[in-house]
Amino acid sequence: GAVVSQHPSWVICKSGTSVKIECRSLDFQATTMFWYRQFPKQSLMLMATSNEGSKATYEQGVEKDKFLINHASLTLSTLTVTSAHPEDSSFYICSARDGIGARSNTEAFFGQGTRLTVV
Amino acid sequence: GEDVEQSLFLSVREGDSSVINCTYTDSSSTYLYWYKQEPGAGLQLLTYIFSNMDMKQDQRLTVLLNKKDKHLSLRIADTQTGDSAIYFCAENTGTASKLTFGTGTRLQVTL
Repeated sequence: GAVVSQHPSWVICKSGTSVKIECRSLDFQATTMFWYRQFPKQSLMLMATSNEGSKATYEQGVEKDKFLINHASLTLSTLTVTSAHPEDSSFYICSARDGIGARSNTEAFFGQGTRLTVV
Repeated sequence: GEDVEQSLFLSVREGDSSVINCTYTDSSSTYLYWYKQEPGAGLQLLTYIFSNMDMKQDQRLTVLLNKKDKHLSLRIADTQTGDSAIYFCAENTGTASKLTFGTGTRLQVTL
């Protein structure tokens, strides 16, 4: 299957600083990428949908100024957690759809996730 | 609404079959998925089923879909210790290609 690489796998940062998480589709073009947040022992909650070359669409309750999303190319989307606080500590996972291939309507491929700890 | 529910925990013996159940509420879902998540890792797509199908088999995995009752199940035959993980069902309504995930079922395989 297609590969989605997420970096870093884990990060610890000080409260008040910003953290950038990258999501790359390695062997396909992803016109759409999704960012999820997962709390311990809970399901994935969709934060936003990132479309290449346009503004991201945020889910209700997600602060767009807090979680900045940039999807500048067909293979890269970034999520920046600005002015991070301990309550932002979580597991962040991206996924990407193959925007051109036959799988575009069926499969979403997931990155390995980024565990963010804000101290 | 788009609530997708699963039982929280399932324990089976190695070699037995596991059945993980999922109920959803959005009747317009076009695809339904099963994902596997191992500790500290992302999600691995196991299989998916189109909404006009009622069964799909892929090696040890069998997916059953009862669209009338909005019930989806995943059967794992000959369960192995490597199958221990959290399993999420998810639905795709097809409008924005977004996935709504279930609450997840933790499968524990014992010897």
